[in-house]
Amino acid sequence: GAGVSQSPSNKVTEKGKDVELRCDPISGHTALYWYRQSLGQGLEFLIYFQGNSAPDKSGLPSDRFSAERTGGSVSTLTIQRTQQEDSAVYLCASSLGPRGNTEAFFGQGTRLTVV
Amino acid sequence: DQQVKQNSPSLSVQEGRISILNCDYTNSMFDYFLWYKKYPAEGPTFLISISSIKDKNEDGRFTVFLNKSAKHLSLHIVPSQPGDSAVYFCAASGRGGGSNYKLTFGKGTLLTVNP
Repeated sequence: GAGVSQSPSNKVTEKGKDVELRCDPISGHTALYWYRQSLGQGLEFLIYFQGNSAPDKSGLPSDRFSAERTGGSVSTLTIQRTQQEDSAVYLCASSLGPRGNTEAFFGQGTRLTVV
Repeated sequence: DQQVKQNSPSLSVQEGRISILNCDYTNSMFDYFLWYKKYPAEGPTFLISISSIKDKNEDGRFTVFLNKSAKHLSLHIVPSQPGDSAVYFCAASGRGGGSNYKLTFGKGTLLTVNP
């Protein structure tokens, strides 16, 4: 596809369950980001992948959160033992070059609700 | 420690008038700045950007001004239209390698343009 694709678009899960969120970036984009937006809040940085470099995981809120990027393309964000405070829209973005001075393109997001 | 600050959570203007959205940053390594627009239930979309070698960039009704000495940038929309009503995010990226390239976002300003 032409844009960043995220799946699922909506996910309702029970507290304590694990969830996986998927992001397909734009082909050829070497940088990939995960952000989340909680209700009424701004964009919270979670993790940044750039090519083959070690990812910047400084934004992950706890060790229940992890992310992978396989083959420099598809990324999966995993949340283990979900809590209600994990409820948010999780946004993935990709950009073309290592500099980030080309704009990042966002997917539509995955709305996660933990009940 | 918020490196990109949008101190006005909301702004309301009349259709046809100018909207001015402000953003301040603290990291002197930032050298590329972007504005994104976000409608409810959609991912943010890129609007306009500016490199630190410039102090102004214009694209149609949208102009971004950069004041490096003050570490301040602003987005001007003129004339404002009701369809401009959205949350606007300021973002910045830097030089120096590694994670300095990642995009750092402000918390956003909700713009409402009244007919």
